[in-house]
Amino acid sequence: GNSVTQMEGPVTLSEEAFLTINCTYTATGYPSLFWYVQYPGEGLQLLLKATKADDKGSNKGFEATYRKETTSFHLEKGSVQVSDSAVYFCALSDRSGFQKLVFGTGTRLLVSP
Amino acid sequence: EPEVTQTPSHQVTQMGQEVILRCVPISNHLYFYWYRQILGQKVEFLVSFYNNEISEKSEIFDDQFSVERPDGSNFTLKIRSTKLEDSAMYFCASSEVGLNTEAFFGQGTRLTVV
Repeated sequence: GNSVTQMEGPVTLSEEAFLTINCTYTATGYPSLFWYVQYPGEGLQLLLKATKADDKGSNKGFEATYRKETTSFHLEKGSVQVSDSAVYFCALSDRSGFQKLVFGTGTRLLVSP
Repeated sequence: EPEVTQTPSHQVTQMGQEVILRCVPISNHLYFYWYRQILGQKVEFLVSFYNNEISEKSEIFDDQFSVERPDGSNFTLKIRSTKLEDSAMYFCASSEVGLNTEAFFGQGTRLTVV
């Protein structure tokens, strides 16, 4: 079945450091890929998405590129801020059930001043 | 900005008791979902609900679970006889109808079964 694997956390960075959170997936067909973010005390929010191979999703300085050849969707940001501290979830959905999402375990990011 | 709200934020219940988790989806959304996350594990799909019936459910969603839209605003998840392994964070979500619509999630209810 479909699955998502993302790197273990927590990831601890200083402000303005470069961020990468790895995500790989296993899926049949051509899934859509997502990154969700959960800030403390809040719900899951869609951060960015990509619906086909080689698409790049971007939002708030975060980017991720849908790489079919490596089945990956790594999240990157060039310069993190303290306010980016949150839990980040990689997810996929298959075309037959667009909103039935398959999530990874989440990666906690801690950014210090 | 419209949001999905869940109550309570934290519920403690004794094993074997029934529990009802409540959600108020965004008002013009027609698809509703429940997901859960056991501590340290993945967020897992439980069930989706559309047009007053279950449209899809996972293996986790057995006879102990049920969902209901008792009125025009609430969407509930009932667990009939809770087990210790039901302890988890439960997320409600809603979306509009359509292929490229986004699912909006609530902040979650942490259920602790003791």
